[in-house]
Amino acid sequence: SAVISQKPSRDICQRGTSLTIQCQVDSQVTMMFWYRQQPGQSLTLIATANQGSEATYESGFVIDKFPISRPNLTFSTLTVSNMSPEDSSIYLCSVGVTSSYEQYFGPGTRLTVT
Amino acid sequence: AQTVTQSQPEMSVQEAETVTLSCTYDTSESNYYLFWYKQPPSRQMILVIRQEAYKQQNATENRFSVNFQKAAKSFSLKISDSQLGDTAMYFCAFMSPRDDKIIFGKGTRLHILP
Repeated sequence: SAVISQKPSRDICQRGTSLTIQCQVDSQVTMMFWYRQQPGQSLTLIATANQGSEATYESGFVIDKFPISRPNLTFSTLTVSNMSPEDSSIYLCSVGVTSSYEQYFGPGTRLTVT
Repeated sequence: AQTVTQSQPEMSVQEAETVTLSCTYDTSESNYYLFWYKQPPSRQMILVIRQEAYKQQNATENRFSVNFQKAAKSFSLKISDSQLGDTAMYFCAFMSPRDDKIIFGKGTRLHILP
């Protein structure tokens, strides 16, 4: 398994601003993912964060709204840009263990947009 | 496209009882992985159990076991001797090794009653 931390754990932001969420892993991993979990809902994949190249976004998510950085094999950031109340969600990062095809999740960031 | 269906939005059982959570999925692939994740109120996603599609033997992890029926595309989770700490949201999930992307079901909220 892997130990994953996220910062911040929660935040309350004003409409129109941006928030950057950090994800740190205690070991080098190839695959990192960002998910959104809206209140009372399941998880939806936003994008796959690729080290050394642009992130791969899922349908319905765009780079201008959710820019992602992956500067090395232990760290990634997700920015939620120009926020609206509809962006209020829990954002989770996960890492994939190639040898076992398991994914482990960070504790999540609870974002509230007012 | 792959889909994961959990038909039980919410369940309640008495402590020490056995409970089974249902999950069905749809895929045209022959090689894939299935997971059950637990999300307690703390929101940390915890991997409970993993099943590889090419293995006929059902996975077990202590009090947790699965009934994997590949032909029926069914993947249920059995929790034996349920404990209060098992109270959580449980997500069934599918992953193809082609892209390592996890597809989650909508979840089953499980309440263990004292």
